[in-house]
Amino acid sequence: KNEVEQSPQNLTAQEGEFITINCSYSVGISALHWLQQHPGGGIVSLFMLSSGKKKHGRLIATINIQEKHSSLHITASHPRDSAVYICAVRKGDTDKLIFGTGTRLQVFP
Amino acid sequence: DGGITQSPKYLFRKEGQNVTLSCEQNLNHDAMYWYRQDPGQGLRLIYYSQIVNDFQKGDIAEGYSVSREKKESFPLTVTSAQKNPTAFYLCASSSGQVSNQPQHFGDGTRLSIL
Repeated sequence: KNEVEQSPQNLTAQEGEFITINCSYSVGISALHWLQQHPGGGIVSLFMLSSGKKKHGRLIATINIQEKHSSLHITASHPRDSAVYICAVRKGDTDKLIFGTGTRLQVFP
Repeated sequence: DGGITQSPKYLFRKEGQNVTLSCEQNLNHDAMYWYRQDPGQGLRLIYYSQIVNDFQKGDIAEGYSVSREKKESFPLTVTSAQKNPTAFYLCASSSGQVSNQPQHFGDGTRLSIL
């Protein structure tokens, strides 16, 4: 079993829909990252969380440390949100990340 | 603008050939990383370096080598010993402190076998 699990693997939505992507992990962590990978392959860091909730524009990330679970929400989704969203955790007190396999999101107009 | 530059974007390797992927950063970061991405799998760590002239093996180091002679540069060589090199390779950097700083990623190099 992977230490970081994401669901769903694939997600399609109509423009304007509310999107939720989930991430569960089985190890002790010091931080959790949400990353966005566009079709060209480059990766952008969206959020880094160690507790609570963060918001940036239409994106919201939450984490529940007790339940070892995080969610990424996209409000009023847009075709330009189409990308692969990757959850990664920093294990314990190391600087190394463990990555989920990603969720491929396609938003249609 | 500060960032990470990977080159080339696409690379082709012949059987038995070594190839080197370039990664340069101007973020003044101490730590640099190389990851491999295969379809349907999460990124896997190949090598990392937390300081100049020092580096450690990651989870899948066999068939790869690195050097860290300068703070801003962390080239990855895919040797002929790597029997399945076709993948997408990503370089990243961070401040290196265990202080929850995010890793910054390059745009990747896609390596294929001729």
